[in-house]
This record gives sequence, C-alpha cells and structure tokens, in this order.
Amino acid sequence: AQSVTQLGSHVSVSEGALVLLRCNYSSSVPPYLFWYVQYPNQGLQLLLKYTSAATLVKGINGFEAEFKKSETSFHLTKPSAHMSDAAEYFCAVSLSGNTPLVFGKGTRLSVIA
Amino acid sequence: DTAVSQTPKYLVTQMGNDKSIKCEQNLGHDTMYWYKQDSKKFLKIMFSYNNKELIINETVPNRFSPKSPDKAHLNLHINSLELGDSAVYFCASSQGREGRTDTQYFGPGTRLTVL
Repeated sequence: AQSVTQLGSHVSVSEGALVLLRCNYSSSVPPYLFWYVQYPNQGLQLLLKYTSAATLVKGINGFEAEFKKSETSFHLTKPSAHMSDAAEYFCAVSLSGNTPLVFGKGTRLSVIA
Repeated sequence: DTAVSQTPKYLVTQMGNDKSIKCEQNLGHDTMYWYKQDSKKFLKIMFSYNNKELIINETVPNRFSPKSPDKAHLNLHINSLELGDSAVYFCASSQGREGRTDTQYFGPGTRLTVL
C-alpha cells in the first residue's frame, strides 16, 4: 500500500533562512508526488508535482523539491523563508488513476521575524 | 470568479440532525472529490465522482451520501450527525478521470461542528 510520511509536524525557521520540509514515501510502483500548501482558513493549493519527468521540480513561490528514488524522498525546499510562507504543507502520493491521492499528516511551517 | 465553491462555510448543528454541504466547480473538470480534515489536520478522501459516476468510495459510514446532479456539482448529505463528524470538509475537482497526475483544485472548506 502506498503511504507518505512527513517528518516533523512543526518546523520553525527564521525569516531569510532555508526551508526544508521532509517527505518520504512508500510505494511498490513508481509514484507521482505532490506538495500542497494550506494557508490559514483556506483550501489546499498545489505547490508542485513530480510526474516522472525531471527529478528536480520547481513550483510556485520559489519552492522546489527533488525526487530521490534511492532515498524514497521528495523533500521540499526554499532558499529563503518569507513571513508569507507560514502555512501547513502536505506531501501526497498517487499511484494510479483510480486510487485516491494519499496525503501525509502535514507539517506546519512557522516563520519568525 | 471562484473556481471551487462550497456552501456553507460554517455549519453548527445538533447531534442527530441531517445536513447537506454543497459544492460547485466552474473549471469544466470531470472529476470531483470530498475530503475530510480532522482536528489534527489529517486529510482523507471520502468520495470521488467522475462525470456523475461514483469511482472512489472509501470506508465512510453510510450516513454520508454524496450526490452529483451534474458534473459541476457534488453535494454531501449527512444523516444522523454524530460528534465525531465534526471536521472541515473539502470539496475538490480535477481535469480528468486519470487522476494520477492531475492537479486537484480545492474549495475553501466547510467547518462542521456537531454539538
């Protein structure tokens, strides 16, 4: 069965510091992987997705993620955190068309001035 | 123009009542979803419809019944509400049936509180 593990339910960084949010997946077939962001009191929106093309994926708002098959990871990074990045971040995995998207438990990112 | 809209945004009700949440998307998408997000932010799919056809039905009590009158609408009706139903319910949509790579677009959520 597919699953996603997000290490760290809460990550706190200083404004301007590197953001690193960790995601590891478990899958018996090549996965498709997503990062979604949820701002307070809003729905989720897509940051980026990996669909078996380039392993380094660039998304919106300066975020990027690298698919590493050997490590079964898809960590999300941003070189310099901004106050507006404070939100809940979800990693998700998809295996096939009719299987549901499986979300990790989320990581809350706090940005300190 | 809101892409995926839900009504109501907040719903407070007593145990045992029946309530509905409505969802509409104006993106022309073929597939719609209902998700439940619990108090710990864990997000889990409940149902998925493609062109009014149910394609995913996770282990959800049959007190929950989705209804899709057309491919732009997916409503969620809940009978005999229980305390454990309190959560935020998100509607989402995506382009096609092959959901593996499709981006899902989420509504703003409906916060249901059962007293």
